[in-house]
Amino acid sequence: AQKVTQAQTEISVVEKEDVTLDCVYETRDTTYYLFWYKQPPSGELVFLIRRNSFDEQNEISGRYSWNFQKSTSSFNFTITASQVVDSAVYFCALSVHFGNEKLTFGTGTRLTIIP
Amino acid sequence: DVKVTQSSRYLVKRTGEKVFLECVQDMDHENMFWYRQDPGLGLRLIYFSYDVKMKEKGDIPEGYSVSREKKERFSLILESASTNQTSMYLCASSPNPGQGAGAEAFFGQGTRLTVV
Repeated sequence: AQKVTQAQTEISVVEKEDVTLDCVYETRDTTYYLFWYKQPPSGELVFLIRRNSFDEQNEISGRYSWNFQKSTSSFNFTITASQVVDSAVYFCALSVHFGNEKLTFGTGTRLTIIP
Repeated sequence: DVKVTQSSRYLVKRTGEKVFLECVQDMDHENMFWYRQDPGLGLRLIYFSYDVKMKEKGDIPEGYSVSREKKERFSLILESASTNQTSMYLCASSPNPGQGAGAEAFFGQGTRLTVV
C-alpha cells in the first residue's frame, strides 16, 4: 500500500518570504510517480508537477521549485518570494506503475500568505 | 482545455434520500474517479472506472455505488444518505497512456454535499 505524509497542516508566511512544503511518501513499488496539486478557494485541484521515480533532477518553474530525494523518500516544494495568490491548499500525491492511475493523496498543507 | 464538470456545486439532502452526483468530462479519458475530501484526511478514493461499465472499489466504497454507462459520464450514488457522508466530493479523469505512465488527473470543481 502507498502512503503520503504532509506533516505541515497549516503554514503562514509574510508576502515575499520563501516557504517550503514537505512531502514524504512510502511505496514498495520501484516505479512510481509523484505529483503536486494546488487547490485554491474555488475548489478545483490544479496540477503543478509530476515526477517519475527514475528522475531525481530538481525542477524549477518560475518561483516554484521541487526537490525530489529518493534516499529520504521526500518530494518537497518551495515557493520563492511568495505572493498572496499562492494562498491555497497544496496536496502531494503518489501513483504507482500499473496502478490504473489511482492517486494516493497526503492530507494537504494550507498555505496562507499574509500581505 | 480539458474540462471536468460536476453537476452541482452545493447540495443539501435529507437522511435516507438517494443522492446522485454527476460528472462529465470532455477529453475522451478512459479513467474516471470519485474522491471524497474531508478536513485533516485529504482526498480519499471512493470508486474509479477505467472503461465504460467497468468499476473498481477504492479505499472507502461503503455506502456508495457508481455508474458509467457512457465514457464521458461517471455518476456517484449514495444509496441512502447519512450525515457522515456530508463532505466535499471531487470527480477526476485521466487518460490511460498504457502500462501505467503516471498520467495527470484533471479535477472538477467539487460538490459540497450536506446531509441533514
